[in-house]
Amino acid sequence: KAGVTQTPRYLIKTRGQQVTLSCSPISGHRSVSWYQQTPGQGLQFLFEYFSETQRNKGNFPGRFSGRQFSNSRSEMNVSTLELGDSALYLCASSLFRGTSPYEQYFGPGTRLTVT
Amino acid sequence: ELKVEQNPLFLSMQEGKNYTIYCNYSTTSDRLYWYRQDPGKSLESLFVLLSNGAVKQEGRLMASLDTKARLSTLHITAAVHDLSATYFCAVDRGFGNEKLTFGTGTRLTIIP
Repeated sequence: KAGVTQTPRYLIKTRGQQVTLSCSPISGHRSVSWYQQTPGQGLQFLFEYFSETQRNKGNFPGRFSGRQFSNSRSEMNVSTLELGDSALYLCASSLFRGTSPYEQYFGPGTRLTVT
Repeated sequence: ELKVEQNPLFLSMQEGKNYTIYCNYSTTSDRLYWYRQDPGKSLESLFVLLSNGAVKQEGRLMASLDTKARLSTLHITAAVHDLSATYFCAVDRGFGNEKLTFGTGTRLTIIP
């Protein structure tokens, strides 16, 4: 079974630009979460989607947004990029067991560098 | 606000030795996870601990959970170089709030 895939793997952008990152979950997984990893702040939750609806949201500014499509694929968008947005962005997918998502499986990440 | 603390942050140990990484969390949590991350790589799931007293073992790694003490431990037995990595614990709050809150990570270096 294929794992979580993320594209692109590496990205270099300039301050003020916007960027869209893509995540394809493991087949059959309907919950997709996004995390940001930086040396200073560690791993921080961005948002989670299930059935095209945002279920949870972390403490990030409105410049960070996401969406999920009917095939469970997800995208996140960052507008008006700042230097501090440079990070590894990780996507994770999970199955639902009963009424709750279970163990999260992480993709390889997208390394975003803002110059 | 849920806080997760790990210690130590850095751990350098010789091959063949035993050691334990500690993970404390601040509020009641339903599930605790351990992940491994190699440099420049993503997170690999190691263990999922669901209930008080849960113990899981895989190879030289063993994880346990004490929900009353809000403490999980990751014990390394007879360390080998291949175990060098950063280890993270993470917790979620269960139904409706399954976002993971991660600890700071423990960078483990095994010296031959």
